[in-house]
Amino acid sequence: DAGVIQSPRHEVTEMGQEVTLRCKPISGHNSLFWYRQTMMRGLELLIYFNNNVPIDDSGMPEDRFSAKMPNASFSTLKIQPSEPRDSAVYFCASTRVLEGRRGNEQFFGPGTRLTVL
Amino acid sequence: RKEVEQDPGPFNVPEGATVAFNCTYSNSASQSFFWYRQDCRKEPKLLMSVYSSGNEDGRFTAQLNRASQYISLLIRDSKLSDSATYLCVVNDGAAGNKLTFGGGTRVLVKP
Repeated sequence: DAGVIQSPRHEVTEMGQEVTLRCKPISGHNSLFWYRQTMMRGLELLIYFNNNVPIDDSGMPEDRFSAKMPNASFSTLKIQPSEPRDSAVYFCASTRVLEGRRGNEQFFGPGTRLTVL
Repeated sequence: RKEVEQDPGPFNVPEGATVAFNCTYSNSASQSFFWYRQDCRKEPKLLMSVYSSGNEDGRFTAQLNRASQYISLLIRDSKLSDSATYLCVVNDGAAGNKLTFGGGTRVLVKP
């Protein structure tokens, strides 16, 4: 079975450039999460969607970050303009939310390692 | 204060030994608890859920203490392959499906 797919796996860009990260969740999952991981701050939730609708974007650091989920099988996280402090590993995760249950297991993609020079 | 706190380690463990570590959480309304494992330069993966009565999965034992708001993980008969970072994860039911991750505890099992 295909797990969560992320692309690109590695991205090196220059400060000021636009960066777009992509995620395909596991088929049948209806909740999708974007995380950022750094040595200093650990794993931070940026935003999550239920049934393609953004539910909580309180973790999005600033207006330079935006995320979309146009359909159940695709999501993007965009940084425009990028800055060196955005350098991190960005993970996408998905889960199937069951009615009345909370905190289901999340399945993570392999991550995108972003370096902004 | 962080919502979920862990000793970052590393815990250097001789192969075959037992190692245990805790994590504390600040939200008394937290409802679901998990341990995730993350290998170097890999994604986190669920190791086990943590139930109120405590639970075992092979060499791994998880305990929950709601009164003191901490979770523990014990690894018996450590293997070299147990070397990883162990992430304590908590869900506040009121926050929907949002999981809050601790900073992780690094475990190094040595021959």
